[in-house]
Amino acid sequence: GAGVSQTPSNKVTEKGKYVELRCDPISGHTALYWYRQSLGQGPEFLIYFQGTGAADDSGLPNDRFFAVRPEGSVSTLKIQRTERGDSAVYLCASSLERASVNEQFFGPGTRLTVL
Amino acid sequence: SQQGEEDPQALSIQEGENATMNCSYKTSINNLQWYRQNSGRGLVHLILIRSNEREKHSGRLRVTLDTSKKSSSLLITASRAADTASYFCATDGDTDKLIFGTGTRLQVFP
Repeated sequence: GAGVSQTPSNKVTEKGKYVELRCDPISGHTALYWYRQSLGQGPEFLIYFQGTGAADDSGLPNDRFFAVRPEGSVSTLKIQRTERGDSAVYLCASSLERASVNEQFFGPGTRLTVL
Repeated sequence: SQQGEEDPQALSIQEGENATMNCSYKTSINNLQWYRQNSGRGLVHLILIRSNEREKHSGRLRVTLDTSKKSSSLLITASRAADTASYFCATDGDTDKLIFGTGTRLQVFP
């Protein structure tokens, strides 16, 4: 079956612009996660959805970052007034339930470059 | 923030040799997972070990967990060039989210 998909695969934007990154999880997976990965580092947790609600958004770095999952499947990560420091690979993952009991399935990521 | 650290940061070996990577973490956990990442993009789950388990095998992979030392090791036996990748451990920190370590970059030369 289809895995986790993310669009776009690459996004180049200018400082101050708004961007949206999309994640399509595996069908039937109730848990969805967003991570950010900088070069040479491990993925850093941003936010976790259980169904439609954000169960844990403690990893969002500031109020410029926001994510939604209105129907409990597709999720969009929104970044306002982008800064050069936002440049990274944004990874999405889904799992059947909670990460603590299940493996996560990752998408290929969106590479965001802020000029 | 990163929960754990992998050791070594980088490892180069010849095909056929074994590769051992270590992971240390900071808080109590329900389970610990190992992931592989090729070319800086999507991660692939390798193995999950629960806090009440001490050792687990999957094919050429062997994972150990020592909760008293808050450490885990991943052993890849009879390595292949295709095993070249970055390897990350991830813990749940007794929460619903995964916290990843900094990774070990493994290079296997043919």
